[in-house]
Amino acid sequence: DIQMTQSPSTLSASAGDRVTITCRASQSISTWLAWYQQKPGKAPKLLIYKASSLESGVPSRFSGSGSGTEFTLTISSLQPDDFATYYCQQYSNYWTFGQGTKVEIK
Amino acid sequence: EVQLLESGGGLVQPGGSLRLSCAASGFTFSSYAMTWVRQAPGKGLEWVSALTGSGDITYYADSVKGRFTISRDNSQNTLYLQMNSLRAEDTAVYYCAKAVYSYGYQFDYWGQGTLVTVSS
Repeated sequence: DIQMTQSPSTLSASAGDRVTITCRASQSISTWLAWYQQKPGKAPKLLIYKASSLESGVPSRFSGSGSGTEFTLTISSLQPDDFATYYCQQYSNYWTFGQGTKVEIK
Repeated sequence: EVQLLESGGGLVQPGGSLRLSCAASGFTFSSYAMTWVRQAPGKGLEWVSALTGSGDITYYADSVKGRFTISRDNSQNTLYLQMNSLRAEDTAVYYCAKAVYSYGYQFDYWGQGTLVTVSS
């Protein structure tokens, strides 16, 4: 089974900050990685797929990078609507989510 | 507009059974793989099960293999999850989601979720 490990678990930031979340896979997954945003009581929302492709309708302040086992999600300038929990997900072999990173207000 | 509407959640005793449904609309249902993802209270997302657009190939997480069965009725645009031998650790909100291809990849649309509580 492929394990996904995100860091940090919690991130405190202010509006306007540049934020980076890291996701590591236990084995190479090429670029078969997605990022999701989830707000309390809501379903997850797809942000990024194939490691760096932006889903339609997602603001360009979100970007993804990486390949193999190391990936990052970057929010270039944090907006009030971006305070949420973010999950990475591999789909190279079945599907596995990371444990999540909560972005909270500093 | 793509819509996914789960139903069938509720309170069930340990060892009991429950069947979840997910009614889909707004896309050609049979052309896409579908999946179930769950989230225990206050916890992260856990992939549970998936099946291809035609329904001929199914996938299960080790935690539910042998107890849960995923299926679909493409004539009714409905996805199902039959859950047997339920345990307390199966308590979660269960989401159905649509994959972007008939054989999987990422999940681009999600339902609002249905809560399953396993307790005596």
